[in-house]
Amino acid sequence: DIVMTQSPDSLAVSLGERATINCKSSQSVLSSSSDKNYLAWYQQKPGQPPKLLIYWASTRESGVPDRFSGSGSGTDFTLTISSLQAEDVAVYYCQQYYSTLSFTFGPGTKVDIK
Amino acid sequence: EVQLVESGGGLVQPGGSLRLSCAASGFTFSSYWMSWVRLAPGKGLEWVANIKQDGSERYYVDSVKGRFTISRDNAKNSLYLQMNSLRVEDTAVYYCARAHFGTYGKGNDYWGQGTLVTVSS
Repeated sequence: DIVMTQSPDSLAVSLGERATINCKSSQSVLSSSSDKNYLAWYQQKPGQPPKLLIYWASTRESGVPDRFSGSGSGTDFTLTISSLQAEDVAVYYCQQYYSTLSFTFGPGTKVDIK
Repeated sequence: EVQLVESGGGLVQPGGSLRLSCAASGFTFSSYWMSWVRLAPGKGLEWVANIKQDGSERYYVDSVKGRFTISRDNAKNSLYLQMNSLRVEDTAVYYCARAHFGTYGKGNDYWGQGTLVTVSS
């Protein structure tokens, strides 16, 4: 199974500042046939279901503000919130969907306001 | 509009059983893989199971193999999770999610609001 790790576990950022979250997979999630990384990022606020933010490691889902961006390839990925807003306080998860055998999530990163 | 509505959660004793349902609408249910994902108190998201469009392939996280069964009824646009031999550690909110696989896949792009399962004596 592909194991996902994230860092940091939590971070506090001032409003308007940048937040950066890292995600690492135990094996590559880059498909040689499609040249796509099957890596997604989700945002989850308390009492709400997860919301898909980014797929293919760097493509924003429709309606997601452009302050959210994803980067990386292979095994190392990053989610960046360029200018943190109050409504961005949440837990963020990466997920690999390269393997149909398991859709593993990272352990999550909690983002708060400093 | 895509909608996923879970039901069937509740309080059950350890060793007991529960069947969760997910009613899907707003999309061609039979064209998509589907997933169950859970969020335990104080923990992170955990993928539980996936099922292929026609039910011919099913995959589970190791911790539920042999105890949980994912199934679907495409005629009723419904997804199910039969949970047997429940343990305290199965306590969680269970989410139904559409799984967008393949070359142009997105992961789990739509989610229900979740149903709470509490396993306690």
